Amino acid sequence: DAKTTQPPSMDCAEGRAANLPCNHSTISGNEYVYWYRQIHSQGPQYIIHGLKNNETNEMASLIITEDRKSSTLILPHATLRDTAVYYCIVRPLIQGAQKLVFGQGTRLTINP
Amino acid sequence: DGGITQSPKYLFRKEGQNVTLSCEQNLNHDAMYWYRQDPGQGLRLIYYSQIVNDFQKGDIAEGYSVSREKKESFPLTVTSAQKNPTAFYLCASSFRESYGYTFGSGTRLTVV
Repeated sequence: DAKTTQPPSMDCAEGRAANLPCNHSTISGNEYVYWYRQIHSQGPQYIIHGLKNNETNEMASLIITEDRKSSTLILPHATLRDTAVYYCIVRPLIQGAQKLVFGQGTRLTINP
Repeated sequence: DGGITQSPKYLFRKEGQNVTLSCEQNLNHDAMYWYRQDPGQGLRLIYYSQIVNDFQKGDIAEGYSVSREKKESFPLTVTSAQKNPTAFYLCASSFRESYGYTFGSGTRLTVV
């Protein structure tokens, strides 16, 4: 079970903000929200993660709703190189290895 | 630079043959993972290992075997018992209490 729901595909114009939604209505209190992306024929790349506060790094921002049942990944100024499949994953952060469960993700296409 | 290396990048196998995919990391990560990805699909977990000389089956372990004799290495053998071995195979690693996974660049296996 991926435990998350994402739209299968989205389009965004180059230079605009790309907002990728994710529903995780059954998230538990100790589970974090992680985002990865996979460019064609490469291994997935970690983007960002968060628990309940909004997070920002050099790649993206993560907005988590107050009830934590959904979140949005924001790429503020999308470029053609951001075209990829984006995976939203929930996972507890506790001691010991925790396997990631990947769903289908959202295929984001950045158009020139 | 630390990283995770998978080899070879492309591999062809005749039906009925076993083949071993290599995965090596110099990140000093405790945990390592093998995922399989079919065209247009998400990643599915085959095996994972939290420490040396210990590993657990993932969701689709049938027809695969692994070993973890060294912390740095986690080879995957695709046996002749695997009915549909043609796929993209991804290896990953993480600290036991780390936030994210580091993925290799993958091995594309084709049965001919």
